[in-house]
Amino acid sequence: AQSVTQPDIHITVSEGASLELRCNYSYGATPYLFWYVQSPGQGLQLLLKYFSGDTLVQGIKGFEAEFKRSQSSFNLRKPSVHWSDAAEYFCAVGLYTGNQFYFGTGTSLTVIP
Amino acid sequence: DAGVIQSPRHEVTEMGQEVTLRCKPISGHDYLFWYRQTMMRGLELLIYFNNNVPIDDSGMPEDRFSAKMPNASFSTLKIQPSEPRDSAVYFCASIPTGGSNEQFFGPGTRLTVL
Repeated sequence: AQSVTQPDIHITVSEGASLELRCNYSYGATPYLFWYVQSPGQGLQLLLKYFSGDTLVQGIKGFEAEFKRSQSSFNLRKPSVHWSDAAEYFCAVGLYTGNQFYFGTGTSLTVIP
Repeated sequence: DAGVIQSPRHEVTEMGQEVTLRCKPISGHDYLFWYRQTMMRGLELLIYFNNNVPIDDSGMPEDRFSAKMPNASFSTLKIQPSEPRDSAVYFCASIPTGGSNEQFFGPGTRLTVL
């Protein structure tokens, strides 16, 4: 069965520090890969996506993610975190057929001054 | 485009009452998804439509839940009768024609059943 794993339920980082949020997926082929961000009381906003090609993708708000086929991973990174980045982050997998979409359980990010 | 529109944004009702949540997808999008988000279970896919036809409703928790899409610009999720355990945020999302699989989410409806 397809699955998306975000092993870190909660992460705390200092403002200005670097950030990496982990995501692993289980699927027989390379799916579409996404990272969404959800601020408190808000809907989900797409940060970035990977379909094919360059394995390092750039997104909005200074985020990037790297697809590593050998590790079935799609980790999200940001070199310098801002207080406004505090939110819930969801990794998601979209499959080629049937438009099935699977979300990870999310990682809650706290940014401290 | 205004994005995916959901109404109401907040709904408070009493146990046993009927609740109807509404969604207007982005024009031209032919897939529509309903999700439920709770602290305990995270984001759960309830049902999705393609060209107004329900494709997979295996995530609908029980017969109290029903969803319809009478036309390409409108969908409803109905709970009858509602129970306190239905309290959650319900999101609607749509995907454009072409199968890019990028989902565009609405702002959600926060449902509280007392």
